[in-house]
Amino acid sequence: DTGVSQNPRHKITKRGQNVTFRCDPISEHNRLYWYRQTLGQGPEFLTYFQNEAQLEKSRLLSDRFSAERPKGSFSTLEIQRTEQGDSAMYLCASSFYEDEQYFGPGTRLTVT
Amino acid sequence: AQSVTQLGSHVSVSEGALVLLRCNYSSSVPPYLFWYVQYPNQGLQLLLKYTSAATLVKGINGFEAEFKKSETSFHLTKPSAHMSDAAEYFCAVSPVVGANSKLTFGKGITLSVRP
Repeated sequence: DTGVSQNPRHKITKRGQNVTFRCDPISEHNRLYWYRQTLGQGPEFLTYFQNEAQLEKSRLLSDRFSAERPKGSFSTLEIQRTEQGDSAMYLCASSFYEDEQYFGPGTRLTVT
Repeated sequence: AQSVTQLGSHVSVSEGALVLLRCNYSSSVPPYLFWYVQYPNQGLQLLLKYTSAATLVKGINGFEAEFKKSETSFHLTKPSAHMSDAAEYFCAVSPVVGANSKLTFGKGITLSVRP
């Protein structure tokens, strides 16, 4: 069990550029969650997958955001036309159904 | 909708002193409740969870929390603080039923431990 991994750990981009983050969950976990954490706040739910199906998306997830989990294993989160307000820590978590969610170290995005 | 309130953003205690971090929840039915800890530049680590079994829940690193339905509270305590406990602590709630067990977090409390 190597835990949940996320890449990159840090990303600096200019406003208007597209960015993509990757999350590799714990191998036997069928659920994968994305959360966003801004400075001084707790994480906020963005979306989740069960296997390859995206089952719920938060209203926080604007049209510029898209997430995939093509084979029910790793997941990607893409942000198009980034804005300064997108600067945050993006956290991924995985679980086996409703069991405990294990979090990755996060990807810190800075939009300049 | 479920929500969590963590009053205050910062708690400072002396090493060896009692740690008390407060959490109140709002939910139409008793939910599942969690405490997570986050060290700088790291992900969240589960300290303990309440899932409708015993109301007093013991977690890792000597922490425990008590679920009080009448007070809608789930406060986190540790009898004696250690320097290594300095971190940010988040209380969270999730639905008991339903497919999506997404977590709703409070704003977090930063715990400082003075030598």
